[in-house]
Amino acid sequence: QKEVEQDPGPLSVPEGAIVSLNCTYSNSAFQYFMWYRQYSRKGPELLMYTYSSGNKEDGRFTAQVDKSSKYISLFIRDSQPSDSATYLCAMSASGKLIFGQGTELSVKP
Amino acid sequence: DGGITQSPKYLFRKEGQNVTLSCEQNLNHDAMYWYRQDPGQGLRLIYYSQIVNDFQKGDIAEGYSVSREKKESFPLTVTSAQKNPTAFYLCASSIGTTGYGYTFGSGTRLTVV
Repeated sequence: QKEVEQDPGPLSVPEGAIVSLNCTYSNSAFQYFMWYRQYSRKGPELLMYTYSSGNKEDGRFTAQVDKSSKYISLFIRDSQPSDSATYLCAMSASGKLIFGQGTELSVKP
Repeated sequence: DGGITQSPKYLFRKEGQNVTLSCEQNLNHDAMYWYRQDPGQGLRLIYYSQIVNDFQKGDIAEGYSVSREKKESFPLTVTSAQKNPTAFYLCASSIGTTGYGYTFGSGTRLTVV
């Protein structure tokens, strides 16, 4: 079993839809939780960063962490074609960042 | 502008050859990392270094080697012992080791011909 599980998709939604991306994990030592966005043939860029359980909002993006269920989510409101990318969850412990498989998202005009 | 530079962008390797991927950062970050990305598998850690002249194996270090002689540089050598080297390789750096503030390079696409 992988430490971090993420549905690879692909996920296709119409413009304006609410998108929900999720990851589960097994290592209770993870303390820091991140979402990265990666455009094709580019390096990932940090989108959201959270510590411990709770919600964090940044514009159209909301990150949720539920440590009791070992479950994290990223919500994208009013999705735009420019949001089309691969979204990777990541978690850290002991100085290493562990990534999920990534979910490929396509937002259709 | 500060950032991470990976070169080359595309690299072709013949069977049995060693090749070296370059990674340079001018962010004054202490820690540097190499990841491999394959379709549907996310990023897997090859090697990481938290300080000059020291590095640790990640989850898939077999067939790879690294050095960290300077804070700014962390080259990765893909040796002939790596049986399936075709992949997208990403270098990253960070100030600390909490996982926050990773900066990634733009990647090197390695293909075996």
